[in-house]
Order: sequence, then C-alpha cells, then structure tokens
Amino acid sequence: EVQLVESGGGLVQPGGSLRLSCGASEFAFSTYWMSWVRQAPGKGLEWVANLKLDGSEEFYVDSVKGRFTISRDNAKNLLYLQMNSLRVEDTAVYYCARARRGHNYGSYYFDYWGQGTLVTVSS
Amino acid sequence: ILMTQSPSSVSVSVGDRVTITCRATQDIRNWLAWYQQKPGTAPKLLIAGASSLLNGVPSRFSGSGSGTDFTLTISSLQPEDIATYYCQQSYSFPMTFGPGTKVEFK
Repeated sequence: EVQLVESGGGLVQPGGSLRLSCGASEFAFSTYWMSWVRQAPGKGLEWVANLKLDGSEEFYVDSVKGRFTISRDNAKNLLYLQMNSLRVEDTAVYYCARARRGHNYGSYYFDYWGQGTLVTVSS
Repeated sequence: ILMTQSPSSVSVSVGDRVTITCRATQDIRNWLAWYQQKPGTAPKLLIAGASSLLNGVPSRFSGSGSGTDFTLTISSLQPEDIATYYCQQSYSFPMTFGPGTKVEFK
C-alpha cells in the first residue's frame, strides 16, 4: 500500500521559515510527479505546488510564488516544501500527495495523500 | 477555472440517495475527480475521469457528466459515507477544487 508521511509542521512567527518533509514508500517514487496541497482550518482544499519526477520543473499557486520551494530527493524517497516569509494566511494542514496526469501539462489530480502536518503562523 | 458545488451541505438518513453537483466555469471535458474527506483525515480519491471508480470504492458511489456539469451520486447512503466531498478539475493549470459539500445526518 502506498504510504506518504509528512513531518516538520509546527508553530512559527510571521516572517519565519519552516521546512516540511514527506517520506514516500511502497511505490516507485522517482517515476511520479508529487504535490503539496493545503487546507486552512475549517476551509477547503488548495493546491500549493507540483514537482516533476526528476525535480527539473516546479509549479506554484500564485500566493506562494517566490516564498515556497518544492524539492525532492529521489535517492531517499523524500519530498520537501521549504516555506519562507510565512504569513498568517499560510496557516493550514499541509498534505503531500502523489500526482496523476491531467489534461494539460502541469495539471494533475491526486491519488494518494499523506495524513498531513499542521503549520500555524502566529505571533 | 472556478469550481462550484451544490448544495454546500445536505442532511440525510441511512439509505437515502444523495446527489452532489459540481460545475466548472469552462469546459473541462471529463477531467474531473471526486474526493471524500472524513473529519480529521486526509482526502481520499473516489472517482477520476468524471466516472471511473477507484479500486475498492463501493459501487454505491457513481460519477457522471462532462463539459461543465458533473454529479456524484451515492445510491444508498451508509453511515461511513458521512464526510465532506470535493470535486477538482485537472483539465488546466492551476488545478482547482470545489468548495466542498458536507453530508451529515439529520
């Protein structure tokens, strides 16, 4: 069974940084695009970032461009999200998800999700 | 592409037939997925390609539609189906989700 396990969440002050990790197992990690999706408390789902299987292309939602960086280590089956200049509105549960190709390049749906890690941005 | 869902919530009883509608602001052909999220847990993919049920998803779930209008139907609601359901388009970048439909007991 595919497993995705996130870690690294916590409480951080506005303007601070945090790095999330996602460990993947039971599938060929290096052959899949991977994504981060977030959910603010009591709110809906928002796609955050996608990363190509070899790490050569990244896509971001406009609200995090220039502040967040998605990366991966295929040798260790790990996905990362480096979050800088954090804002109160970044408070959310962050899910790591395996991406499956949609119609246009860069568009995906998500067939497996981790359990999520909570990021709280507050002073 | 903006996604809308209706209703935003629905009160049901065991055995009810439940229909949730999802609408896209432009033609997304059949590039629509449905997810189920139970309280405190991660979303789970139920349906991809508007109507293809994932392995292990009970047959009481079905999806239909193409273009801009889609439906998720639960033919006979079971207690374990109480959840919030989200649609998501994967036709074009950026991927977008509907706001969700909460299915709860009367």
